[in-house]
Amino acid sequence: GAVVSQHPSRVICKSGTSVKIECRSLDFQATTMFWYRQFPKQSLMLMATSNEGSKATYEQGVEKDKFLINHASLTLSTLTVTSAHPEDSSFYICSARDGGLAYEQYFGPGTRLTVT
Amino acid sequence: GESVGLHLPTLSVQEGDNSIINCAYSNSASDYFIWYKQESGKGPQFIIDIRSNMDKRQGQRVTVLLNKTVKHLSLQIAATQPGDSAVYFCAESNPTPLVFGKGTRLSVIA
Repeated sequence: GAVVSQHPSRVICKSGTSVKIECRSLDFQATTMFWYRQFPKQSLMLMATSNEGSKATYEQGVEKDKFLINHASLTLSTLTVTSAHPEDSSFYICSARDGGLAYEQYFGPGTRLTVT
Repeated sequence: GESVGLHLPTLSVQEGDNSIINCAYSNSASDYFIWYKQESGKGPQFIIDIRSNMDKRQGQRVTVLLNKTVKHLSLQIAATQPGDSAVYFCAESNPTPLVFGKGTRLSVIA
């Protein structure tokens, strides 16, 4: 159980375009979802926390108008990178917390974004 | 906020030997710790966790030790295998979103 999926697994887009990444909890209800970004040879850095039905909370330094997060249901959160630039190229990983468990976070397989 | 750090960015171990990966954390309020394994191009994979009311927890071939006095966490892997080669991260929570350490790359020499 506790499977989190992401789609797409890889995406290449041109500079200036927007790209949407989906994160789904497959067998549990995720009241809270998290988005992390990981640059090569670095650790995972938290970008934002989203609770179903409310606005996301962004970490310091993360532009909320650039990284749009929507958590419209208990099983789906989306991250839209707007007006993407090459420096946005990274590995984006989502994580979900089961509503009944305070600590456990289940991670998706990640999405590799390359902006050309 | 405070962050979790790691000693030794790389670790090379002979196949069959035991591996010890260390982690120093700075947030004394953290009460939940996890070790993750990450292979290239994949998401983090849960290995083992421990709560702050414990100082040791064992899993299959893995043991996590927690020393709250010096804010230190370690992961021990017994009889290390080639499939254990990956980057290992510790993470902490209280129960805020998990904060990850820098990571240690474990290379297993056959």
